[in-house]
Amino acid sequence: EAQVTQNPRYLITVTGKKLTVTCSQNMNHEYMSWYRQDPGLGLRQIYYSMNVEVTDKGDVPEGYKVSRKEKRNFPLILESPSPNQTSLYFCASSPGLFTYEQYFGPGTRLTVT
Amino acid sequence: SQQGEEDPQALSIQEGENATMNCSYKTSINNLQWYRQNSGRGLVHLILIRSNEREKHSGRLRVTLDTSKKSSSLLITASRAADTASYFCATDLGETSGSRLTFGEGTQLTVNP
Repeated sequence: EAQVTQNPRYLITVTGKKLTVTCSQNMNHEYMSWYRQDPGLGLRQIYYSMNVEVTDKGDVPEGYKVSRKEKRNFPLILESPSPNQTSLYFCASSPGLFTYEQYFGPGTRLTVT
Repeated sequence: SQQGEEDPQALSIQEGENATMNCSYKTSINNLQWYRQNSGRGLVHLILIRSNEREKHSGRLRVTLDTSKKSSSLLITASRAADTASYFCATDLGETSGSRLTFGEGTQLTVNP
């Protein structure tokens, strides 16, 4: 089944404790992206990647890192999480640039205390 | 500020009625997409309309695009309780944005049985 998977689905952590949210897609998509969703702010893009080893900042990249060493994986790293990073995070992928729909993962609900 | 803004923020209708949601955006686009999100879950792509298209249909969905007014509408005909969800428009600015989708804050649709 074609899908985007994220792990973990739920995470409660403490300020400053490094964490990684994994994202994997099995559709051989070139383009992958991370979003965060907050009430009243909609979805905002954190980082995106147009191919292996090619990543770029989205609208809200501060406090996050990403890497794209393999086509299928695009992990999101929070080196030192803070409470303002409490949010619902989505990974998405699409076949390529322009005029393509994005396929979203199920979401990761992160709480930083 | 968001590129896309949906209107209304919330809509409540009875089963069988039609639901219309609107999206306005600020700058020229490559395409506009509509997504649905069931509570706390990942977004699901509904329909994509290119900047040179004016109307598109998919089942009970009808999307229009007016580039002169920088607006789009999503019509769901003969609504069902299962259509209850949040609906988002997303604009793709094309090459100038590195092919990033910018989402609005969404319309919360409630269809009462």
